[in-house]
Amino acid sequence: SQKIEQNSEALNIQEGKTATLTCNYTNYSPAYLQWYRQDPGRGPVFLLLIRENEKEKRKERLKVTFDTTLKQSLFHITASQPADSATYLCALTGGGKLIFGQGTELSVKP
Amino acid sequence: GAVVSQHPSWVICKSGTSVKIECRSLDFQATTMFWYRQFPKQSLMLMATSNEGSKATYEQGVEKDKFLINHASLTLSTLTVTSAHPEDSSFYICSACRDPNREQYFGPGTRLTVT
Repeated sequence: SQKIEQNSEALNIQEGKTATLTCNYTNYSPAYLQWYRQDPGRGPVFLLLIRENEKEKRKERLKVTFDTTLKQSLFHITASQPADSATYLCALTGGGKLIFGQGTELSVKP
Repeated sequence: GAVVSQHPSWVICKSGTSVKIECRSLDFQATTMFWYRQFPKQSLMLMATSNEGSKATYEQGVEKDKFLINHASLTLSTLTVTSAHPEDSSFYICSACRDPNREQYFGPGTRLTVT
């Protein structure tokens, strides 16, 4: 069955550093891969979408890579800020719906 | 753009009663809406996919007679939890999209507590 794995442990980094989150998947060939941010008690917020034929995508301080051979996506936040602290969810698209990973909790310390 | 609202944001109900949650796309027409539930410290679990004017498609293990979904228009979908029990207590989140294979826009969620 399809499986999506993200860093299960919380990620703690210092303000100003680059945060790197990992998303691995198996038994799947998604057309798109997406990243969302979720704050406690709130719905997720869409951040970035990358297609299977794209290697990298950027938006301001965010960068996503997509390696369909490794079946992996990396999500980077450069010059991280305490306001970036949240849970980040990876999601694969297929069959008209999203399949979410369990999320990685990021904490950026001042 | 792409704002989705949910109402109510939280609700407490007695066991055995029914609760209706509304999901509206405020500034776009959503061809598809989705309903998720989320338990603490867990990821989102898709419950059903809803298209305007047609019956919802439920995920395996989700009781369609318990979780009634109505998608009356391109901007409104409702989820009714019927005969609610304490184990139905959860965070329910809806999303809407123009293309079900692309980005989804989520509502703020509804916290349901069944006593």
